[in-house]
Amino acid sequence: QVQLVESGGGVVQPGGSLRLSCAASGFNFNVFGMHWVRQAPGRGLEWVAVIGHDGNSIYYAESVKGRFTISRDNSKNTLYLQLNSLRAEDTAMYFCARDFNIGWVDYWGQGTLVTVSS
Amino acid sequence: EFVLTQSPATLSLSPGERATLSCRASQNLGSFLAWYQQKPGQAPRLLIYGASNRATGIPARFSGSGSGTDFTLTISSLEPEDFAVYYCQRRGSWPVTFGQGTKVEIK
Repeated sequence: QVQLVESGGGVVQPGGSLRLSCAASGFNFNVFGMHWVRQAPGRGLEWVAVIGHDGNSIYYAESVKGRFTISRDNSKNTLYLQLNSLRAEDTAMYFCARDFNIGWVDYWGQGTLVTVSS
Repeated sequence: EFVLTQSPATLSLSPGERATLSCRASQNLGSFLAWYQQKPGQAPRLLIYGASNRATGIPARFSGSGSGTDFTLTISSLEPEDFAVYYCQRRGSWPVTFGQGTKVEIK
């Protein structure tokens, strides 16, 4: 069955960096686009970024453009999100998710929590 | 800026009642709309895509309708496990956009 397992979250100071990982299994990772979606505590869902199956198509939300970088390693079935210049408003649960029909999501991980605080 | 507006923010109903959730788009989406359910402490789950197609394993009491700018998610008879937050989401161009959510709570 499809499994997406995020890791790498934690507490970081404003201006700091983190790298999130998402280990995928149970499907052919290299034929699916992948997303990162986040959810601040008590708030709604916010799409963060998407990467195409081969890594050649990448899009970001305006709120993270220039600070976050999405990437993937198909040889390791792993998705990444590099978070730089972190701000308090980046505090959220970060979900890794599999693309469905170019924009929707059919499978989600359980999330990894990023807390930006001094 | 593209916006999805969900209403109401909260819907208070009893088990067995019918739930009707609305999602309005600021631009024509055609049928490029999906619905998700999220329970506390869990990841969202895809319910409906293409405005009216149930995802794999979704019970028939969930149905979606609409096109263009006005969409509806209907739960025909609420089960205890249906009390959750529901989000609509568009595809078709980047960035992807979610609505702000409708909470269906037990009355």
